[in-house]
Amino acid sequence: QVQLVESGGGVVQPGGSLRLSCAASGFTFSSYAMHWVRQAPGKGLDWVAVISYDGSNKYYADSVKGRFTISRDNSQNTLYLQMNSLRAEETAVFYCARAAHGSGSFWGGRFDYWGQGTLVTVSS
Amino acid sequence: DIQMTQSPSSLSASVGDRVTITCQASQDISNYLNWYQQKPGKAPKVLIYDASNLETGVPSRFSGSGSGTDFTFTISSLQPEDIATYYCQQYATLPRTFGGGTKVEIK
Repeated sequence: QVQLVESGGGVVQPGGSLRLSCAASGFTFSSYAMHWVRQAPGKGLDWVAVISYDGSNKYYADSVKGRFTISRDNSQNTLYLQMNSLRAEETAVFYCARAAHGSGSFWGGRFDYWGQGTLVTVSS
Repeated sequence: DIQMTQSPSSLSASVGDRVTITCQASQDISNYLNWYQQKPGKAPKVLIYDASNLETGVPSRFSGSGSGTDFTFTISSLQPEDIATYYCQQYATLPRTFGGGTKVEIK
């Protein structure tokens, strides 16, 4: 069965860095675009970034552009999010999500599988 | 960026009631619209994709309709297990954007 398991969350000071991982299993990871979505405590869903199936194309929300880097290792079935210059207001649960095929979009359609989320707390 | 305006932000209804949530896109997104359910402490779960298609395994009391800029999500008969927050999301363009969410409670 499809599984996505995030790790790497924790407490970091403002201005600090953190790298999140998302281990995928149960499907052909190298065939799917993958996304990161975050959710601040008590708030709504906020899309962060996407990477194409082969890692050659990436796109970021304006709010994280230049500070966050999405990457993947298809040999290890793992997605990453490197986060630098973190801000206090970026405390959130970060989810990785698989984008389903068949939507007509290069970046995939619905997010059909999500990880359980990993909490990033930015605080001094 | 495409803005998704969802309403209401919260609602309270009785078991068995018909519940309707609307989502409006700031520009034409055709049918590139998904609906998710999120229960407290859990990841979102897709219920409806491409505006009106029911995800496999999702009860048929959930439905979606609409095209262009105006969309509707309906629970035909509210059940206690439907207590959750519901989000619309467009995938016509990047960045992907979500509506603000609708929290559904039992009266």
